[in-house]
Amino acid sequence: AQTVTQSQPEMSVQEAETVTLSCTYDTSESDYYLFWYKQPPSRQMILVIRQEAYKQQNATENRFSVNFQKAAKSFSLKISDSQLGDAAMYFCAYRTNTGTASKLTFGTGTRLQVTL
Amino acid sequence: GAVVSQHPSWVICKSGTSVKIECRSLDFQATTMFWYRQFPKQSLMLMATSNEGSKATYEQGVEKDKFLINHASLTLSTLTVTSAHPEDSSFYICSAAGGWDQETQYFGPGTRLLVL
Repeated sequence: AQTVTQSQPEMSVQEAETVTLSCTYDTSESDYYLFWYKQPPSRQMILVIRQEAYKQQNATENRFSVNFQKAAKSFSLKISDSQLGDAAMYFCAYRTNTGTASKLTFGTGTRLQVTL
Repeated sequence: GAVVSQHPSWVICKSGTSVKIECRSLDFQATTMFWYRQFPKQSLMLMATSNEGSKATYEQGVEKDKFLINHASLTLSTLTVTSAHPEDSSFYICSAAGGWDQETQYFGPGTRLLVL
């Protein structure tokens, strides 16, 4: 079974600075998807970014980018120019690519604080 | 695009009553919907996966007679908590996958259930 580990329960970053959230996973598969979701205080889960394992290029979405290291099974999220609205719980998630109804395996989350 | 709604957002009920929660994909057809439960400060726990027109697949430890799931159309899934008890109080979140993006789950805003 796949597992996802987020080793940082809490992180803090100053506004306008850069922060990196860590995520590692364990799998024997070669084809899969990885996601970062954000859960602000409203508790709405919001997709931040996704990465297909077969793509070598790291995904980027505006101020959010990932460092995908397939051999090391690492998938970190970098947030540049942090804003107060980035404060939230961030979950890393893994999805197998075997079948269309595949479920997500979530990490335990990292709570990000953004300070002035 | 990829908007998922949930209704109600908040429900308080008496012990022994049943509660129905609706999950709708507003701008795409969801071939698969997922139901999660989240306890405070914890990650999401998958309860079941449902495909339109077929029976839901429940995760180990989830009582299917307690948590009835119906996925009658490509845009609607319902979760009914039958004979609710205080220990069923939680935050329930649905997600949907389908349309142009089968690999990504898009989440509803969640439903807070409090059983007195």
